[in-house]
Amino acid sequence: DSGVTQTPKHLITATGQRVTLRCSPRSGDLSVYWYQQSLDQGLQFLIQYYNGEERAKGNILERFSAQQFPDLHSELNLSSLELGDSALYFCASSVVEDTEAFFGQGTRLTVV
Amino acid sequence: GENVEQHPSTLSVQEGDSAVIKCTYSDSASNYFPWYKQELGKRPQLIIDIRSNVGEKKDQRIAVTLNKTAKHFSLHITETQPEDSAVYFCAASWTGGYQKVTFGTGTKLQVIP
Repeated sequence: DSGVTQTPKHLITATGQRVTLRCSPRSGDLSVYWYQQSLDQGLQFLIQYYNGEERAKGNILERFSAQQFPDLHSELNLSSLELGDSALYFCASSVVEDTEAFFGQGTRLTVV
Repeated sequence: GENVEQHPSTLSVQEGDSAVIKCTYSDSASNYFPWYKQELGKRPQLIIDIRSNVGEKKDQRIAVTLNKTAKHFSLHITETQPEDSAVYFCAASWTGGYQKVTFGTGTKLQVIP
């Protein structure tokens, strides 16, 4: 167990809908990262937050947004969902920005 | 932005043989290079990492080498075992304030007993 908690583990929703994925980082970790992993694909970096502030952005679609709250948990909001958004979404956290990142178990999103 | 290329995409070795996975990166500012192992259906886990001020790092059967001039780094696994079978991802990151990690496309390693 990495100490990073993601909920829900599985999510099935219809096209056009909006969902929210939640991540609780390890205790004491200030940095949170979101990644998307499509079937048989690599890890695509979406966005990073550090102590509540957005720090880096990857190839995140405009339909997606994220935030990190004062208690350091983070949420990834996906809207106007398309079939191609079906993927495994990972959250990772680290103490500071240049240390090892620990991954959560992921949320498997299926858009039907 | 950073671009990380990883080869090979699949690799089969006999148990006990060595496995080598290679990655190249494009951004000379990258200074942190972690390697992750992802078993089927599980989360990626860091297995070894190297920083740009070091040319080689070893941890038991796993070693990583870095050539900053050529902008490539490699993962070496010796005496492979069936439990080494997984997908391995390399990554490159610049940690000078904003860490944006770019992952390679992954190598599926199969160790044949």
